[in-house]
Amino acid sequence: DAGVTQSPTHLIKTRGQQVTLRCSPKSGHDTVSWYQQALGQGPQFIFQYYEEEERQRGNFPDRFSGHQFPNYSSELNVNALLLGDSALYLCASSKQGDQPQHFGDGTRLSIL
Amino acid sequence: EDQVTQSPEALRLQEGESSSLNCSYTVSGLRGLFWYRQDPGKGPEFLFTLYSAGEEKEKERLKATLTKKESFLHITAPKPEDSATYLCAVQAFTGGFKTIFGAGTRLFVKA
Repeated sequence: DAGVTQSPTHLIKTRGQQVTLRCSPKSGHDTVSWYQQALGQGPQFIFQYYEEEERQRGNFPDRFSGHQFPNYSSELNVNALLLGDSALYLCASSKQGDQPQHFGDGTRLSIL
Repeated sequence: EDQVTQSPEALRLQEGESSSLNCSYTVSGLRGLFWYRQDPGKGPEFLFTLYSAGEEKEKERLKATLTKKESFLHITAPKPEDSATYLCAVQAFTGGFKTIFGAGTRLFVKA
């Protein structure tokens, strides 16, 4: 039973570029959440997708956007990258109303 | 404002030296409190869910407890393989589910 998978594992971009990160949820899960984790900090909630709609959003600017597909997989898009966007981006999945969330191993994004 | 605070930031123990990690929280509409373990370069791994004050959960050398304002993760006779960052998170429902994490406690267990 495959868990949450994320791609790519590492990514290097320069300021001003755009990036797309991908996530496949655990089998049987229909809800996907995205988190940003800076070094030495806990994960910060970006947004959550359920039934292909953004259901909840944390305190992140509109440069951060997402999408959920009919097969429940999800993408996180970040435009106009800033140096401060360098972080580990985590995807977590769950069944709506049923916890806990299961996490992937993340995408390490470095901005030069 | 919803907030989760973990202490200490870092904890160094000798193998077999029991201790506790603290997670204090202020949140409206609490639905549950979660403990996760995170190893370097990996995503958080689920350990426990607690829903109501007085509840306790155990797994091997770990025991989690919950009061109305805080949770404790007790580690009994730790081993070096218990070294990791332990994250506490609370789930609130405010028109939708939202999960708020603390900054974590980095645990080092020396043989």
